[in-house]
Amino acid sequence: AQKVTQAQTEISVVEKEDVTLDCVYETRDTTYYLFWYKQPPSGELVFLIRRNSFDEQNEISGRYSWNFQKSTSSFNFTITASQVVDSAVYFCALSDPTGSQGNLIFGKGTKLSVKP
Amino acid sequence: DAGVIQSPRHEVTEMGQEVTLRCKPISGHDYLFWYRQTMMRGLELLIYFNNNVPIDDSGMPEDRFSAKMPNASFSTLKIQPSEPRDSAVYFCASSTSPETQYFGPGTRLLVL
Repeated sequence: AQKVTQAQTEISVVEKEDVTLDCVYETRDTTYYLFWYKQPPSGELVFLIRRNSFDEQNEISGRYSWNFQKSTSSFNFTITASQVVDSAVYFCALSDPTGSQGNLIFGKGTKLSVKP
Repeated sequence: DAGVIQSPRHEVTEMGQEVTLRCKPISGHDYLFWYRQTMMRGLELLIYFNNNVPIDDSGMPEDRFSAKMPNASFSTLKIQPSEPRDSAVYFCASSTSPETQYFGPGTRLLVL
């Protein structure tokens, strides 16, 4: 069965520190998508990134970067030089190809607190 | 472009009452999803539609829950009768492909 594990329940850092959020997934399928979403204190879910299982290139977007490693079934998210505005709950998700229509399987989330 | 619109943003009701949550997807999106978020269970898919047709409702908890999508720009999730354990944040999401879903702001429901 498909599963997403975010082992870090909460992380607290001081502003300007780098922080990595871990995500480990389980799937038997060869084709799937991985996602990261951000849920700030206001409650909405903000899409950050989608990664195809065939594309293992790391991606960088400003202070955000993602490291996808199929060998370890991990899709980790790093925030460089964290800021207070990065404080949020971050969810990793896996698309469920057995449903073939994009049922997202979410991890439990990692709550990141960035202190000034 | 406007994002996914949900209403109401907050709903407080008493046990036994009917609750209707509403969602307007992003224009042009042909997939619509309803999720529920609770502390205990996290984010769970309840049901999703493609081209207004329900595709998978296996996540709907019980017969008290029903969802409709009468047209491409509107969907409802109804709970009748509501119970305290239905208290949660309900999200609607839409997409053009089944993979990348864009979420609305959510409806925070409290059933007393």
